[in-house]
Amino acid sequence: QQQVKQSPQSLIVQKGGISIINCAYENTAFDYFPWYQQFPGKGPALLIAIRPDVSEKKEGRFTISFNKSAKQFSLHIMDSQPGDSATYFCAASRDGRGSTLGRLYFGRGTQLTVWP
Amino acid sequence: DAGVIQSPRHEVTEMGQEVTLRCKPISGHNSLFWYRQTMMRGLELLIYFNNNVPIDDSGMPEDRFSAKMPNASFSTLKIQPSEPRDSAVYFCASSSQVSGNTIYFGEGSWLTVV
Repeated sequence: QQQVKQSPQSLIVQKGGISIINCAYENTAFDYFPWYQQFPGKGPALLIAIRPDVSEKKEGRFTISFNKSAKQFSLHIMDSQPGDSATYFCAASRDGRGSTLGRLYFGRGTQLTVWP
Repeated sequence: DAGVIQSPRHEVTEMGQEVTLRCKPISGHNSLFWYRQTMMRGLELLIYFNNNVPIDDSGMPEDRFSAKMPNASFSTLKIQPSEPRDSAVYFCASSSQVSGNTIYFGEGSWLTVV
């Protein structure tokens, strides 16, 4: 059973446009929501993360919007660049306590292509 | 500062052969994860260790897969016997209480079973 559902599976955006990737979860015990970025031939790397005590977090061109009541969160990439072309994974976890420390549930990924 | 180190980076093997993938986590990290990535199933958690103890191995596909962590700086994932459907990228990752929930991935081991 997929704990985190991600859409779309693929996304094509023109340079300068806004890329939006959405995720939804069911487990209300989740309280940490990171996004990972993966380039071809590399492992995923943490891009940005949010906790549910805030509704939005921005780092440069990347913003996470979080809707706790809807159990949804999304990644917005402003002014998308060809160098942003990668696969993006949303994830969720419970804050590390004992044996569940750091256990992340990943979405299926979104392949983003930004055309120049 | 060295990241998670995996070996081999690429492996091509014949069906039925034993495959051993190796991982050195980031020094000081006490949680280690093995993930498998395929086009069909995305990123799947196979097993994770906390303080060298396997905590959750429910993602291990079948008895052909086994993982060990004999000490804090080394882990192996073994497939015996290997099958073509095991072809995938296998990632090792690590984290620590200091790093919070940030999981650091290695660059992966690309396995092809023919």
